[in-house]
Amino acid sequence: SAVISQKPSRDICQRGTSLTIQCQVDSQVTMMFWYRQQPGQSLTLIATANQGSEATYESGFVIDKFPISRPNLTFSTLTVSNMSPEDSSIYLCSVVPRGRWDEQFFGPGTRLTVL
Amino acid sequence: GESVGLHLPTLSVQEGDNSIINCAYSNSASDYFIWYKQESGKGPQFIIDIRSNMDKRQGQRVTVLLNKTVKHLSLQIAATQPGDSAVYFCAENIGGGSQGNLIFGKGTKLSVKP
Repeated sequence: SAVISQKPSRDICQRGTSLTIQCQVDSQVTMMFWYRQQPGQSLTLIATANQGSEATYESGFVIDKFPISRPNLTFSTLTVSNMSPEDSSIYLCSVVPRGRWDEQFFGPGTRLTVL
Repeated sequence: GESVGLHLPTLSVQEGDNSIINCAYSNSASDYFIWYKQESGKGPQFIIDIRSNMDKRQGQRVTVLLNKTVKHLSLQIAATQPGDSAVYFCAENIGGGSQGNLIFGKGTKLSVKP
């Protein structure tokens, strides 16, 4: 499986600010995704990060609030914009490695607290 | 402060016993299923998967059973160890070529007593 790293691992931010989370993979992958996991809850897909084009967002998530970039096959960023305490969550990237049609592997997550 | 989340179902087992974690999935069109293990402070870890053309798949100490008739998935862990303590999530892929479109279940917390 691919080795996935995320930066930062955690952060505490003020209301109204923005935070950009990075996801780096050690090998080229076909697909990259961003998930949110609110405290004590399950994972919810935010969007699919598409290389060289706009991300595909799930219902309830919009580009203005969660802009995503994917400049190449191994790197993606998720920005949480104009944060409020309700954005306090763990944000996880996941990947589908090349040759692994469906199997998704997750990064360690970024724990975000908004005050 | 931290918001109140859902109370996860909890399964408590004695070390060495077998564990069975159950999951009901929602979409009859789902054609691929994954079990993940999430330890505190970490991302979900892939355990085992199964496709809809199978009803059983075995890994090392783990077995996944799929009953499509009742849309039920289970994860069996043999000889449960303290290191198996974690939250376990099932996930379904709704298929139709939508690679990666995983829908996660609520999760079950497994607690292993030494």
